[in-house]
Amino acid sequence: DAGVIQSPRHEVTEMGQEVTLRCKPISGHDYLFWYRQTMMRGLELLIYFNNNVPIDDSGMPEDRFSAKMPNASFSTLKIQPSEPRDSAVYFCASRERGGLNTGELFFGEGSRLTVL
Amino acid sequence: SQQGEEDPQALSIQEGENATMNCSYKTSINNLQWYRQNSGRGLVHLILIRSNEREKHSGRLRVTLDTSKKSSSLLITASRAADTASYFCAPLFSGGYNKLIFGAGTRLAVHP
Repeated sequence: DAGVIQSPRHEVTEMGQEVTLRCKPISGHDYLFWYRQTMMRGLELLIYFNNNVPIDDSGMPEDRFSAKMPNASFSTLKIQPSEPRDSAVYFCASRERGGLNTGELFFGEGSRLTVL
Repeated sequence: SQQGEEDPQALSIQEGENATMNCSYKTSINNLQWYRQNSGRGLVHLILIRSNEREKHSGRLRVTLDTSKKSSSLLITASRAADTASYFCAPLFSGGYNKLIFGAGTRLAVHP
């Protein structure tokens, strides 16, 4: 398997523009997580899905952020409108169903977003 | 708090020395995981220790878990320059939580 695939790897955009980040989890994994990493706040969990259903979106910072998982092999994180403070590296991670005694996460290489 | 807290925040050692990083947490766990992040890359899983285990080894890594003290340690023996990275612990908490929340990590620098 190619691992978790994220696109784009880098995005530079202007304030107010819509940004869409994409993630393809590892085939067969039931859980998908979106994290955001900045120097100031570290690694924050934004939202996670189980079997394509959002389970916990309490980390989504505000209504400008939305995430979807239309099928088991694809998820998007959308920011509309984007603001400079959204600049960060966004990571997607997936995990297979395995119960509470496993739980290893597989991370993508991240999408580095810069909002000017 | 549902995250682990790593200590120290930064560690600088010479190649060949051992590196020890600690993690503390607050509530009961099912397991605790350690991850490494090289600069500009995603996190990579290193090792998982279950709540009923006290010690686990993987190559040059040794992890201990003390559930009575709610703490864990990661020891890297005979460190190499390639071990330079940030290291994160992630407790998986009891009570049906499925999410991993990461702390600030320990930044390890291994000098040749």
